[in-house]
Amino acid sequence: GAVVSQHPSWVICKSGTSVKIECRSLDFQATTMFWYRQFPKQSLMLMATSNEGSKATYEQGVEKDKFLINHASLTLSTLTVTSAHPEDSSFYICSASMLDRASSYNEQFFGPGTRLTVL
Amino acid sequence: QKEVEQDPGPLSVPEGAIVSLNCTYSNSAFQYFMWYRQYSRKGPELLMYTYSSGNKEDGRFTAQVDKSSKYISLFIRDSQPSDSATYLCAMSAGSGKLSFGAGTTVTVRA
Repeated sequence: GAVVSQHPSWVICKSGTSVKIECRSLDFQATTMFWYRQFPKQSLMLMATSNEGSKATYEQGVEKDKFLINHASLTLSTLTVTSAHPEDSSFYICSASMLDRASSYNEQFFGPGTRLTVL
Repeated sequence: QKEVEQDPGPLSVPEGAIVSLNCTYSNSAFQYFMWYRQYSRKGPELLMYTYSSGNKEDGRFTAQVDKSSKYISLFIRDSQPSDSATYLCAMSAGSGKLSFGAGTTVTVRA
């Protein structure tokens, strides 16, 4: 099956620093990747949609200057949390989509998530 | 009103029981309906997806979609302790963007 990895799996940083999270599709090429955040006992909230070679599309209420997304290749997208603050502490999950040609459905495969704690 | 409503539970059942989960939605454009399982501190994994209305069965799992009522269900037969997880429903109109329910936490007691 399709595998998506994230690195790091967890990170602790000081307030004001920037943190970069990588998302890789290991065995397939993904034209589209998605970034979500999840607070404890809550569902996934879509932050942005990232297409290779173009600017990310951010959901309403998500600051694009704070959450920088780069989709450099068909297998790699990065999320950089700039000038992180304690309220940015969360579980960040990426997904990569692959078209199922039989059904025309773009299935999303999720990474294992990155837990960010900002002190 | 949220686009997708799902009772967060928690739901606790004895081993071997049938687990019944459901979601309602308001967006009539949704065409694809998914159920994901998420273990603590892990990313979601796809259990089943259904296109439009109807039933789909895969082993112990059965998914049902009733578009006329905007209601979807997931049934887990012969539940096992390893089925203890959070179950998320998700829906898409086909653009690739998913709208998730809040997730239902299920515990299967041995």
